[in-house]
Amino acid sequence: AQSVTQLDSQVPVFEEAPVELRCNYSSSVSVYLFWYVQYPNQGLQLLLKYLSGSTLVESINGFEAEFNKSQTSFHLRKPSVHISDTAEYFCAVSGLHQAGTALIFGKGTTLSVSS
Amino acid sequence: IAGITQAPTSQILAAGRRMTLRCTQDMRHNAMYWYRQDLGLGLRLIHYSNTAGTTGKGEVPDGYSVSRANTDDFPLTLASAVPSQTSVYFCASSEGEGGWNEQFFGPGTRLTVL
Repeated sequence: AQSVTQLDSQVPVFEEAPVELRCNYSSSVSVYLFWYVQYPNQGLQLLLKYLSGSTLVESINGFEAEFNKSQTSFHLRKPSVHISDTAEYFCAVSGLHQAGTALIFGKGTTLSVSS
Repeated sequence: IAGITQAPTSQILAAGRRMTLRCTQDMRHNAMYWYRQDLGLGLRLIHYSNTAGTTGKGEVPDGYSVSRANTDDFPLTLASAVPSQTSVYFCASSEGEGGWNEQFFGPGTRLTVL
């Protein structure tokens, strides 16, 4: 069975500070890893994903995540956050499991950026 | 604009009533999903469909049913609503059932069962 653990439920930071949102997963098979972002009162949007190849993946708005197989982690980072990055962030894993290939989500991390 | 639409946006429902949440996508995606989002629990899969005519149970299927008569529509029915089904419901779709596929989410339906 697969599972995802997001280690921080809330992360408050000041604008222009760096941030790291931590995600660990467990799986007995190869996985695909995703970060989704949910802005207030909206649905989820894909931020970035790791499928294969380079372990460092980047999004168009400055976020990056690194797949670390030995530590079973996929932490999300941004060197300098903006107020507009305030949102809920979900780490998710997919692969082959009994419920088809739907995503298994972590419980989410609320990123609050203040000035 | 291509995407997923959900209806209603929100609903207050008396316990014991039947309710169908609607979901339609115009991307011709094969796979569709229903999740519920609860504070502190993230999103949990209720039911899924890998292609029209087939459905499967997710992590929390009890009290819910789905059908997939065609590619575009994937309604979720609560036969007899209970207060524990108060939640925000998200419909999603992906091009295929492979785990590498990005899932696209609708705007959600906020359901309150009293």
